[in-house]
Amino acid sequence: EVQLLESGGDLVQPGGSLRLSCAASGFTFSSTAMGWVRQAPGKGLEWVSSISGSGKDIHYTDSVKGRFTISRDNSRNTLILQMMSLRAEDTALYYCAKDRGLWNFFDSWGQGTLVTVSS
Amino acid sequence: EIVLTQSPATLSLSPGERATLSCRASQNIFNYLGWYQQKPGQAPRLLIYDASNRATGIPARFSASGSRTDFTLTISSLEPEDFAVYYCQQRSTWPLTFGGGTKVEIK
Repeated sequence: EVQLLESGGDLVQPGGSLRLSCAASGFTFSSTAMGWVRQAPGKGLEWVSSISGSGKDIHYTDSVKGRFTISRDNSRNTLILQMMSLRAEDTALYYCAKDRGLWNFFDSWGQGTLVTVSS
Repeated sequence: EIVLTQSPATLSLSPGERATLSCRASQNIFNYLGWYQQKPGQAPRLLIYDASNRATGIPARFSASGSRTDFTLTISSLEPEDFAVYYCQQRSTWPLTFGGGTKVEIK
């Protein structure tokens, strides 16, 4: 059974940093693309970033480029999102999601970790 | 960026009725469209991938069709557990984008 468990969400001041982690199990992590999708309170889904199984291919939505870094530790089956220069508009529930192929749709999701950016 | 427009925003129906949801893309996305269901307090669940293929474990009452810019998700006979928000998503071009969602509510 696929399991994705996010952690690291917190209340942080504007301009601050945060590191999100996603512990994965139940599938061959190192050969599976992964992504982060966020959902602001009461709003819809917004894709944030995706990374290939090897970690060599990475994509970001424009609003986080230069501020967020996606990475993975395949030895520990962990997906990471390093977030810097956080803004109020980054406030959201951040989901870790498993790609069903390479740059395909997301067929498994974690329960999310909440990031709140506020002074 | 490809914009996905979902309609209607809200669909009020009774159990047993047929639901038809629309997703329109701002440019040709071939068949690279998926549909997700999200219930309150839960993560999204993939229903449909590549326009018309049901994901693992998805009941046959869910069907979908379309290509290029116009796509449809149909729920043939609504079950109580189907009342939720539905999102479409394209994977044709980066950035990946989602539609704004259609809420299917009990009438």
